[in-house]
Amino acid sequence: GAGVSQTPSNKVTEKGKYVELRCDPISGHTALYWYRQSLGQGPEFLIYFQGTGAADDSGLPNDRFFAVRPEGSVSTLKIQRTERGDSAVYLCASSLQGYPSEQYFGPGTRLTVT
Amino acid sequence: QQPVQSPQAVILREGEDAVINCSSSKALYSVHWYRQKHGEAPVFLMILLKGGEQKGHEKISASFNEKKQQSSLYLTASQLSYSGTYFCGTEPNRDDKIIFGKGTRLHILP
Repeated sequence: GAGVSQTPSNKVTEKGKYVELRCDPISGHTALYWYRQSLGQGPEFLIYFQGTGAADDSGLPNDRFFAVRPEGSVSTLKIQRTERGDSAVYLCASSLQGYPSEQYFGPGTRLTVT
Repeated sequence: QQPVQSPQAVILREGEDAVINCSSSKALYSVHWYRQKHGEAPVFLMILLKGGEQKGHEKISASFNEKKQQSSLYLTASQLSYSGTYFCGTEPNRDDKIIFGKGTRLHILP
């Protein structure tokens, strides 16, 4: 079956602009996670959804970052007033249920803020 | 608290064995292992839970010492396909977020 998909695969934006990153989880997976990965580092947790609600958003770095999952499937990560330090690969993962479960990662969106 | 992985990098010849370690300063509920090849998404290898339960691929072997808050991943008779960066992730309590280490880069030579 289809895996986790993320769009766009690459996004280049100017400092101060708004961006949206989309994640399509595996069908039937109730849990969805967003991570950010910088070069040479492991994935850094941002937010975890169980169904439509954010069960844990403690990893969002500040109020410029926001994520939604209105129908319990597709999720969008929104970043306002982007900064150069936001440049990273943003990974989405889904699992059949919440922790502790095997997480299936998408290919990521590489965000570059110039 | 981010777990510490060792070694940071290792180079092996095909057929050799390797052990990758992961340690935490906090008590753990579970340890998760993933492998990531360059430019690709991380792929699940194994979960080890407090109490001894394990979920993962049959060909992967790992241990979890709850008292020492340490886990080790054992790669035996390594194949070229084992190359990549191995990440451990720790979960301090049930339903906590996973905190990933910085990774161990493994390179297998033919």
